[in-house]
Amino acid sequence: AQSVTQPDIHITVSEGASLELRCNYSYGATPYLFWYVQSPGQGLQLLLKYFSGDTLVQGIKGFEAEFKRSQSSFNLRKPSVHWSDAAEYFCAVGALYKLSFGAGTTVTVRA
Amino acid sequence: ETGVTQTPRHLVMGMTNKKSLKCEQHLGHNAMYWYKQSAKKPLELMFVYSLEERVENNSVPSRFSPECPNSSHLFLHLHTLQPEDSALYLCASSHSRAGSTDTQYFGPGTRLTVL
Repeated sequence: AQSVTQPDIHITVSEGASLELRCNYSYGATPYLFWYVQSPGQGLQLLLKYFSGDTLVQGIKGFEAEFKRSQSSFNLRKPSVHWSDAAEYFCAVGALYKLSFGAGTTVTVRA
Repeated sequence: ETGVTQTPRHLVMGMTNKKSLKCEQHLGHNAMYWYKQSAKKPLELMFVYSLEERVENNSVPSRFSPECPNSSHLFLHLHTLQPEDSALYLCASSHSRAGSTDTQYFGPGTRLTVL
């Protein structure tokens, strides 16, 4: 069975600074990987996904993620954070029809 | 309405009440899902329906009863819940369940509080 670990429960970053959220997965075959964002009171919105091909994936809102098979990682990055990026971020790995989510990382943006 | 909608957005119920959560998707998808989201825990998949047939039931207590009358609507019937069932209940849909490549689209959730 697949699983996902997000090592950082909470990250605080200054507006304009860069952001990197870590995600490690466990799955025997080639994984399908996703990053979702959840703003307060909202459902989950897809930021980006990786299925195959180029290991650097571009998403919405200026986010990107890099798949590193050797490290079983799929870290999310943004070069310059905006106050509206304050939210909870979830990494997920897909196998068959099932998505397995990490526990999430809460991002706080300070002015 | 677009995307996935859920009603009600907030629900407070006693342990002896019976209530239902409703989800509707306007995306023409064929698969629908119920998830439970508790604070600081990974999302828990509860039920999966594909073309109105239940294909997954992740050892969910019988006090939760899903219903999928058609591919656009999904219900979660609740009865004799426990306080630990308080959580955010998310509905999602995807084009098909043929593979995990399908992106799941989520509704805003129903915040359930059991007193």
